[in-house]
Amino acid sequence: QQPVQSPQAVILREGEDAVINCSSSKALYSVHWYRQKHGEAPVFLMILLKGGEQKGHEKISASFNEKKQQSSLYLTASQLSYSGTYFCGTERPRVLIQGAQKLVFGQGTRLTINP
Amino acid sequence: NAGVTQTPKFQVLKTGQSMTLQCAQDMNHEYMSWYRQDPGMGLRLIHYSVGAGITDQGEVPNGYNVSRSTTEDFPLRLLSAAPSQTSVYFCASSYRKGQGNSDTQYFGPGTRLTVL
Repeated sequence: QQPVQSPQAVILREGEDAVINCSSSKALYSVHWYRQKHGEAPVFLMILLKGGEQKGHEKISASFNEKKQQSSLYLTASQLSYSGTYFCGTERPRVLIQGAQKLVFGQGTRLTINP
Repeated sequence: NAGVTQTPKFQVLKTGQSMTLQCAQDMNHEYMSWYRQDPGMGLRLIHYSVGAGITDQGEVPNGYNVSRSTTEDFPLRLLSAAPSQTSVYFCASSYRKGQGNSDTQYFGPGTRLTVL
């Protein structure tokens, strides 16, 4: 089942902060975050594996609340280069340890950064 | 490393025609996947593979076939193209670091398919 992202779109001025949320109705093993520029392929940002884990990538960080089946992506002091569509991909707990990595992606959040 | 490559970049088909979208990776990745991307729908998994000779269905497999005879290649076949298959198709691969671990998926540049 597809995770739900919110908001669907957000417009910021350069330097402002943003939070993008990803929520699933199912138990999760991991959450992946990707950014896609118009006409390009999605590019990996980070993976979160453990409950309550928080990771960072420059001024972009994320948290994963395993119990609530939710993840949030935090963009601090946004730059023009942060513009694009952000996708979360969720992975359910695997039945077998060697099970396949099946990601189900949210519908995306379009982020526009204006000067 | 070329990473994940896809051919063709653009394709126009008529309803009922068949074709194969090519995907190759040179990173010795075990996992390979095919997604389609439609406006407002995000990325939807079509088929995936955990290694040569092993494939399985994703969320939207109808109308598509896959096979994986080598680690490097994972072609996607459209059996009889329909206008509903107009989309952007992405191939992705990832390396399983260890049992139970998730890893980064690397996406190819995509194939833009139009079915008339």
